[in-house]
Amino acid sequence: AQKITQTQPGMFVQEKEAVTLDCTYDTSDPSYGLFWYKQPSSGEMIFLIYQGSYDQQNATEGRYSLNFQKARKSANLVISASQLGDSAMYFCAMRENNFNKFYFGSGTKLNVKP
Amino acid sequence: NAGVTQTPKFQVLKTGQSMTLQCAQDMNHNSMYWYRQDPGMGLRLIYYSASEGTTDKGEVPNGYNVSRLNKREFSLRLESAAPSQTSVYFCASIPAGQITYEQYFGPGTRLTVT
Repeated sequence: AQKITQTQPGMFVQEKEAVTLDCTYDTSDPSYGLFWYKQPSSGEMIFLIYQGSYDQQNATEGRYSLNFQKARKSANLVISASQLGDSAMYFCAMRENNFNKFYFGSGTKLNVKP
Repeated sequence: NAGVTQTPKFQVLKTGQSMTLQCAQDMNHNSMYWYRQDPGMGLRLIYYSASEGTTDKGEVPNGYNVSRLNKREFSLRLESAAPSQTSVYFCASIPAGQITYEQYFGPGTRLTVT
């Protein structure tokens, strides 16, 4: 079974609007971490935001927030006030506490339209 | 700090040739990872090293070997390259300790096998 599922291969959003990128995960480990990374066309991986399985509140970092619904095993990334520079691939990832491995989803390609 | 460095940045190999991808980090991190990213895909774990002196297989280890030379360096070897190994290879590292730590990525090595 896939550990991380991103069901949106590509998305468009108008500049200055908000967009939600979906991520669902599968784990039986009660302790885990969820991460979002951005990969622009230049290829580097940029860490955006982290959510822990025991965190009571949704994580926020500037224009990025993570909509964490533990019972549904979803960890959606919300980008507010989209900018042209947000056009990139976005990857959801999970780390299980019992293991030292990270699992990545297949990514969502976001295009921000002017 | 240079962070995570990878050499070479680009490489073209013929089928059957061998080569070693080098990775080094100067952040005193304990764990290091090798991933491959195929076009339009997410990252798949090849091998990882939880600490100096240990290595473990990831999702796609076949055709690769690794060496954790010391705490700083983690190399990936292709003994007999195949066209299916054409990919972008990323090295990453994390410090020991909390699950909250994100991975720090190198810039990637773009490998083409003809």
